[in-house]
This record gives sequence, C-alpha cells and structure tokens, in this order.
Amino acid sequence: QKEVEQNSGPLSVPEGAIASLNCTYSDRGSQSFFWYRQYSGKSPELIMSIYSNGDKEDGRFTAQLNKASQYVSLLIRDSQPSDSATYLCAVPSGYSTLTFGKGTMLLVSP
Amino acid sequence: EAQVTQNPRYLITVTGKKLTVTCSQNMNHEYMSWYRQDPGLGLRQIYYSMNVEVTDKGDVPEGYKVSRKEKRNFPLILESPSPNQTSLYFCATSDDRGEQYFGPGTRLTVL
Repeated sequence: QKEVEQNSGPLSVPEGAIASLNCTYSDRGSQSFFWYRQYSGKSPELIMSIYSNGDKEDGRFTAQLNKASQYVSLLIRDSQPSDSATYLCAVPSGYSTLTFGKGTMLLVSP
Repeated sequence: EAQVTQNPRYLITVTGKKLTVTCSQNMNHEYMSWYRQDPGLGLRQIYYSMNVEVTDKGDVPEGYKVSRKEKRNFPLILESPSPNQTSLYFCATSDDRGEQYFGPGTRLTVL
C-alpha cells in the first residue's frame, strides 16, 4: 500500500508570508505528483502537477520535487487569506488511481 | 465547459432505503472514480472504472456498487445504506496524465 504523509497542521502564516507545505511518499517508483486545494465543504481542486526533479512555478505557487528524498513540497508566496484551505498531496497508485495524503490545513491571517 | 456533475448534492435518508448518486462528465475521460471523505481519514477510493463495463474495487468498496454502461456516467449505488456510510462523496475523472478532476460532492446522511 503506497503511503503519502502530510503534517495535518494547521499551518498558520501571516498575510504576505511564504507558506511551505510538505509531503513525503513511500513509493520510490512514483513519477508524478499532484497538489490539490480544498476549501471546507468543497471538492478538491488541482493546482499543481510536477513530474521531474526540481522546481515548477505557476504564479504564486512553486512545487518542489526531490525523488531521492521522496519529498515534494508546495510553496505559496505572498499568502492571502483566500489561500486558507486544506492542501492535499497525491501520488499515483495504479492506472489513473491516486493515493491522497490526509492534507495540511493552512490558515492565513490578515 | 468541462465539468463533472453529481446529483443529488445533499441527501438525508434512512437505513436500508436503496439510493443512487449519479455522476456525469463531459470531458470524454475513460477513467472515473468514487471517493468518500471523512474527518481524520482523508479521501478514500471506493470504486473506479477504466472504461465502459470495466470496474474495480478501491480501498473501501463494502456496501457499495457501481456500473459503467456509458462512458460519461458512473453512478454509485447503495443497496442498503447504513449510518456508517454517512459521508461526503466525490466523483472524479482522470485524463491520460493521471490528473483527477472532481465533482462538487454529495453530502449523504443515513439515519
């Protein structure tokens, strides 16, 4: 059973700061990684995908992947109160099947 | 607009009364899946389907059935719901890269 571990939080940061969310995974063979954002009571929304080692930037979001350490992170620059949500890390566990971490709750205070 | 729809969005029912939650997608994705989400347990896959007439169990299939007679539809059936199936349910589709797109969710309460 593939495992995806995340700190449940909450992670509290002030508005304008950088929020750093971390995820570790058990399967060394994993090739793709996904970050989802989920507001309370809403469905998960895909915000970042990363497939190779290094950094991938999209607007205020940067995903960082280190396959040797089995570690993937999401950085949110200039955090806004609207970024307050639970962030889910996911890795493939079969054909088009994902295993999700339990998520990290992020709270951005004005 | 590409979307995944679920109905109903909210449902309160009683133990043993059969129900169906519908899921439909217009993205022509072959892969569809059902998840339930519970506090402290995260998202858990119930069933998935790789194509029409091809379905398989996920991590928590007990008490659920699915069917995939058409590519766009993937209903979730609870033949005899029980209170431990009270949960938030999500349908999802996946493209060839494995990126999953979720429906809006169905909040089910079984009394």
